[in-house]
Amino acid sequence: GQQVMQIPQYQHVQEGEDFTTYCNSSTTLSNIQWYKQRPGGHPVFLIQLVKSGEVKKQKRLTFQFGEAKKNSSLHITATQTTDVGTYFCQTNNAGNMLTFGGGTRLMVKP
Amino acid sequence: DTGVSQDPRHKITKRGQNVTFRCDPISEHNRLYWYRQTLGQGPEFLTYFQNEAQLEKSRLLSDRFSAERPKGSFSTLEIQRTEQGDSAMYLCASSSVERTQPGHEQYFGPGTRLTVT
Repeated sequence: GQQVMQIPQYQHVQEGEDFTTYCNSSTTLSNIQWYKQRPGGHPVFLIQLVKSGEVKKQKRLTFQFGEAKKNSSLHITATQTTDVGTYFCQTNNAGNMLTFGGGTRLMVKP
Repeated sequence: DTGVSQDPRHKITKRGQNVTFRCDPISEHNRLYWYRQTLGQGPEFLTYFQNEAQLEKSRLLSDRFSAERPKGSFSTLEIQRTEQGDSAMYLCASSSVERTQPGHEQYFGPGTRLTVT
C-alpha cells in the first residue's frame, strides 16, 4: 500500500523557534491531509492539500504540497507551548486505503 | 453537533475473549472509519464505510476482526479471540458526504483503549 515517510521523528525546539516536518512519498499523491494530536488526545484535522505546488496558511502554520505531489511540509513560525503534540500527514492511495505517516513529535521548551 | 463518540473508553479483557466497541459518528456524516493506534505510532487504517456499505478493508483486519454499520449510522467493531497484540487504541472517525474521495476532513472520536492481559 501507499507508504509515506515523515521526518523528523522528534523535534525539540525553544519557544519562539521555527519548526518544520516533512512528509515524503515515492509515488504521486492525489491529496494529503495534516492532523495534530495532542498528548493523550485524538487526531484533529488541520488542512487538506490537493493541487500541485499548493501553499496554505493558518496563522503561524504554513502547509505546502510539492510540485510533483510527492512531498509535503508543515512549517510553524515562532513556536509556542500550545504547539506541542504530534503532527501527522495522511494520504490515500488509488484503492482508497488511508495511510498516516509515522508522525513528528514536537516538544517546545518555554 | 455532539462530535464523534466511542464506547467504552477503556476495555480490559483476558486473552481469548471477544470484545465489541461502538462508534457514533457525527449525525450528518455518512462516512465512518476505524483505525488502530499503538503508542508512538500513527493511526493504522482498518476499514471504512460509506453509509452501511463497507468499502475498504485493510489486511490488518484479520479474520478475527469484523465491523458493521447496519443502518448507516453507528458502527461496531468486534474482535474475536483477542490476543495481546491487539492491545491498542481503537479510533473511529467520520466525515461528510460531499467529497468523492475518502481522504478529507475527518473528525475523530476519543478512542477505545483496549488492554488484553
